[in-house]
Amino acid sequence: GENVEQHPSTLSVQEGDSAVIKCTYSDSASNYFPWYKQELGKGPQLIIDIRSNVGEKKDQRIAVTLNKTAKHFSLHITETQPEDSAVYFCAASAAAGNKLTFGGGTRVLVKP
Amino acid sequence: GAGVSQSPSNKVTEKGKDVELRCDPISGHTALYWYRQSLGQGLEFLIYFQGNSAPDKSGLPSDRFSAERTGGSVSTLTIQRTQQEDSAVYLCASSLGVGSYEQYFGPGTRLTVT
Repeated sequence: GENVEQHPSTLSVQEGDSAVIKCTYSDSASNYFPWYKQELGKGPQLIIDIRSNVGEKKDQRIAVTLNKTAKHFSLHITETQPEDSAVYFCAASAAAGNKLTFGGGTRVLVKP
Repeated sequence: GAGVSQSPSNKVTEKGKDVELRCDPISGHTALYWYRQSLGQGLEFLIYFQGNSAPDKSGLPSDRFSAERTGGSVSTLTIQRTQQEDSAVYLCASSLGVGSYEQYFGPGTRLTVT
C-alpha cells in the first residue's frame, strides 16, 4: 500500500519568513495530493491540493509543487503570520473517492 | 453552508463498554469516510461509504469496529468492548462522490477509554 513520509516533524520560523514542508510517497499510482491544516481541537482543513497533471499550484501565500518522477511534493508558505501556526498534514490518494494516506504531520510555529 | 458535524465532541467510557459515534456529512455529499487520529499512529483510514455501494472496510482494525450509513446520509461508527488502545480522535469526512477528490473533515470525536 501507499506510504507517505513527511519532514520536518516540527518547524519554527520567524514571522515574515517562509516555511517549507516536504513529503514523499511510494505508490506511483497516486495522483492526488492534498494538504491539510489542523488547529488545536479542530478537524483538518483542506488548504490546497494538486493533481498529477500539474507541477505547481499557488493560492495567495501558499503553493504546492509536485515532482512525479521523484515522488515528492512540497508545501511552501510565504510571508508567514502567527495564524499560520498549526499542524500541517500532507496526503496522497490514487483515485477520486479513494482513501487518503497521510504523512505524520508537521507542527509549525510562527514566532512574532 | 454547514460543514460536516460529529457528535458527541467528547466521549469518556469504561473499558469493555460499547460506544457509538455519529457523523452528519455535508448536504449532497454521497461519499463518507471515517479516519482515526491517535498519537502513535497519526491519521489512519477506517472505512469508506459511496452511495449504495458496499463499503470499503479495509481499514477497520478489528471486528469490534463497525459502521453503517442509513439513507445515504448519517453514519454511525460503533466500537464494541472498547479497549484503552481505542482512545483517539475519530474523524469523519465527506466528499461530493464519484469523480470528486476533495474530502472535508468534521471536528472529530475525542474518545477516551478508562
